[in-house]
Amino acid sequence: NAGVTQTPKFQVLKTGQSMTLQCAQDMNHNSMYWYRQDPGMGLRLIYYSASEGTTDKGEVPNGYNVSRLNKREFSLRLESAAPSQTSVYFCASSQDRLATNEKLFFGSGTQLSVL
Amino acid sequence: GQSLEQPSEVTAVEGAIVQINCTYQTSGFYGLSWYQQHDGGAPTFLSYNALDGLEETGRFSSFLSRSDSYGYLLLQELQMKDSASYFCAVRDYNQGGKLIFGQGTELSVKP
Repeated sequence: NAGVTQTPKFQVLKTGQSMTLQCAQDMNHNSMYWYRQDPGMGLRLIYYSASEGTTDKGEVPNGYNVSRLNKREFSLRLESAAPSQTSVYFCASSQDRLATNEKLFFGSGTQLSVL
Repeated sequence: GQSLEQPSEVTAVEGAIVQINCTYQTSGFYGLSWYQQHDGGAPTFLSYNALDGLEETGRFSSFLSRSDSYGYLLLQELQMKDSASYFCAVRDYNQGGKLIFGQGTELSVKP
């Protein structure tokens, strides 16, 4: 059971380039999330998808787009990368966003550097 | 909006007990969760409190006081492998149930 799988693990971009971070889960979870983690800033929610076909903005959505391709996959796209988007990105999933005892399962992260 | 406050770092010795505090402000509170993260790896779920009181899971316990908007994670019989970052997180009912994390507490366990 792989859990949550993110690709790539590392990426270096030049300012203005675009890229898509891929995430897939095999736990049949309804909800999926993208977080970014910067030193001293904890985990900040970029976008989330409560269920297949729906997406909503989190705390820091500017500069990002997402696609919930199907129940398994949730991708994060940077259309025009900026140095401020240098960060570690984590994808996560959970059974149900509104479940009171819900816990998140995280992928291993993508370390992105924008030069 | 919502906010969480926790100490940035804590140091303790092996075998000791350490408490990591978390205070929060939300407009609609569901519950308080704790996550552990080793060396920037994937955060993993530790515990969840929706009601006041203490929840125990082995060497780890988590406490919640809803009236004080306060909780803590208690780690007993500390081991070197407990050196990690610990995040509290709240789910805000009025923010669509989003899970919002604190900035994390880096725990260093010394021999």
